[in-house]
Amino acid sequence: RKEVEQDPGPFNVPEGATVAFNCTYSNSASQSFFWYRQDCRKEPKLLMSVYSSGNEDGRFTAQLNRASQYISLLIRDSKLSDSATYLCVVNRRDDKIIFGKGTRLHILP
Amino acid sequence: NAGVTQTPKFRVLKTGQSMTLLCAQDMNHEYMYWYRQDPGMGLRLIHYSVGEGTTAKGEVPDGYNVSRLKKQNFLLGLESAAPSQTSVYFCASSYMLGGSETQYFGPGTRLLVL
Repeated sequence: RKEVEQDPGPFNVPEGATVAFNCTYSNSASQSFFWYRQDCRKEPKLLMSVYSSGNEDGRFTAQLNRASQYISLLIRDSKLSDSATYLCVVNRRDDKIIFGKGTRLHILP
Repeated sequence: NAGVTQTPKFRVLKTGQSMTLLCAQDMNHEYMYWYRQDPGMGLRLIHYSVGEGTTAKGEVPDGYNVSRLKKQNFLLGLESAAPSQTSVYFCASSYMLGGSETQYFGPGTRLLVL
């Protein structure tokens, strides 16, 4: 089993819809969690950190469920510009950083 | 403030040739990383550095060497390129290692080995 797993997609979602991704991790020593966004042929960029209490940034909401070992990303009122690959990233207590393979999102006009 | 820059942006090599990829950051970060990204494989850590003069192996270090002679620069070397090293290479840096620290990535170097 991969340490960090994501549904590769693609998720084809009409503009304005709400879409949610999950990411599961297997190492209970995982300490901190992030969502990165990667546009086609570009570098990954931090979208948001994921806190135990959950956090929201505009149309984006991230949540962490330590008991079930998954994090989620919710995008409301999706825009064409949200089309990208979303990478789940887990930092372990031994300082190892594990990237998921990413979930591709296509927002359809 | 340029962030993380990488040189070159694109390169074609023949099998057996050597080359060096340069990564530079102007954020005074201690930690620097080299990743490769292949379709269906996600980002994989090649080598990383926790400070000037130090380097460590990551997940896929074979066939690569690195050096961190200056804090702001992290070089990735391929001594004898192989077609399996065709990939997109990303450099990243962070202020701290792991923990709650985020990474800042360079724009990538696309390498094709024929």
